[in-house]
Amino acid sequence: EAQVTQNPRYLITVTGKKLTVTCSQNMNHEYMSWYRQDPGLGLRQIYYSMNVEVTDKGDVPEGYKVSRKEKRNFPLILESPSPNQTSLYFCASKSRGGETQYFGPGTRLLVL
Amino acid sequence: QKEVEQDPGPLSVPEGAIVSLNCTYSNSAFQYFMWYRQYSRKGPELLMYTYSSGNKEDGRFTAQVDKSSKYISLFIRDSQPSDSATYLCAMSESSASKIIFGSGTRLSIRP
Repeated sequence: EAQVTQNPRYLITVTGKKLTVTCSQNMNHEYMSWYRQDPGLGLRQIYYSMNVEVTDKGDVPEGYKVSRKEKRNFPLILESPSPNQTSLYFCASKSRGGETQYFGPGTRLLVL
Repeated sequence: QKEVEQDPGPLSVPEGAIVSLNCTYSNSAFQYFMWYRQYSRKGPELLMYTYSSGNKEDGRFTAQVDKSSKYISLFIRDSQPSDSATYLCAMSESSASKIIFGSGTRLSIRP
């Protein structure tokens, strides 16, 4: 079954405490990306990766880091989380042409 | 001005009606256009994916792209209560570049 998994699904943390949200896909997709979703703002892309070791900034990259050391994994790192990073985060992957795309179930993050 | 504009709704129509959802955009370099459906508390799912201008049909769904007007549409025929969701448009310059989303339109189909 085609799947994008994210962990954790829910996370409460405090300002400044580094955290990592993992993302994994089982479809051998080259393109992976991270989004945040906030009320009234829709989905905004944080970072995307076109292949292993190739990443680029999306619309809202500030305060986030990513790495793509393996094709299947694309973790999102918040080195020093702040309250304005409280949001719903989605990881996604898509095929090279884009016709096949899958989103993960989301990670709800609260930064106190 | 946002790169992609989408009316947030909510839009409420009776079951069986034809639904029209629309987005406008400002970047003439966009070549790939997508529509997603998102149910409450779920991740988005890709409904339609089109390249450049023209129409694409898939069952009850039709996507239209008018690049001259920078306007895209999604039509849903014979709408069902199960179509009640938020619909997001998105676009990108290439299949490997960043993707810009509209803010989503909340749709409700009344039985």
